[in-house]
Amino acid sequence: AQSVTQLGSHVSVSEGALVLLRCNYSSSVPPYLFWYVQYPNQGLQLLLKYTSAATLVKGINGFEAEFKKSETSFHLTKPSAHMSDAAEYFCAVSLFNQGGKLIFGQGTELSVKP
Amino acid sequence: EPEVTQTPSHQVTQMGQEVILRCVPISNHLYFYWYRQILGQKVEFLVSFYNNEISEKSEIFDDQFSVERPDGSNFTLKIRSTKLEDSAMYFCASSDHLGADYGYTFGSGTRLTVV
Repeated sequence: AQSVTQLGSHVSVSEGALVLLRCNYSSSVPPYLFWYVQYPNQGLQLLLKYTSAATLVKGINGFEAEFKKSETSFHLTKPSAHMSDAAEYFCAVSLFNQGGKLIFGQGTELSVKP
Repeated sequence: EPEVTQTPSHQVTQMGQEVILRCVPISNHLYFYWYRQILGQKVEFLVSFYNNEISEKSEIFDDQFSVERPDGSNFTLKIRSTKLEDSAMYFCASSDHLGADYGYTFGSGTRLTVV
């Protein structure tokens, strides 16, 4: 069965610093991978997704993620953090024959210090 | 931009009571989902719904849970006899294609507190 592990429940960076949020997956077949963001009192918003095209995926708000099959990873990065990036970030996996079900990681709360 | 609307945003109910969580999906979407997040835990899949029937459900989605689309616009989740452990944030989502690769649109969630 597929699963997702996010390393670090809380990550704190300074404004302007690199953001790196880690996600590793487990899947017996090539997966679809997603990053969602949740701002306080809001729903889950899709940041970016990997669906077997380019391994480096660019998303909204300057975020990108790279699918590395050899490392079973899909880490999320942003070169320069902004205060508005403070939120909860969720990595998720789905299989093409799973009817749309998403399996989520436990989430990483990103704090940005001025 | 079209939104998925969930009501209420917060609900407090007594243990053993029935509760109905409501969702209005995006109007041209055909696939509907409920997820929940217990405080401090992962977001978990509950159920998917298409063509007026359940497509898939998780082990969590036992006989106490039901879903329906009563009027072609609302999509509801009913919990018949709530338990303390049902306290969670419940998210509704909809999609116009089968398959998460097309991406869902999630609602803002209903925080259910069972006392």
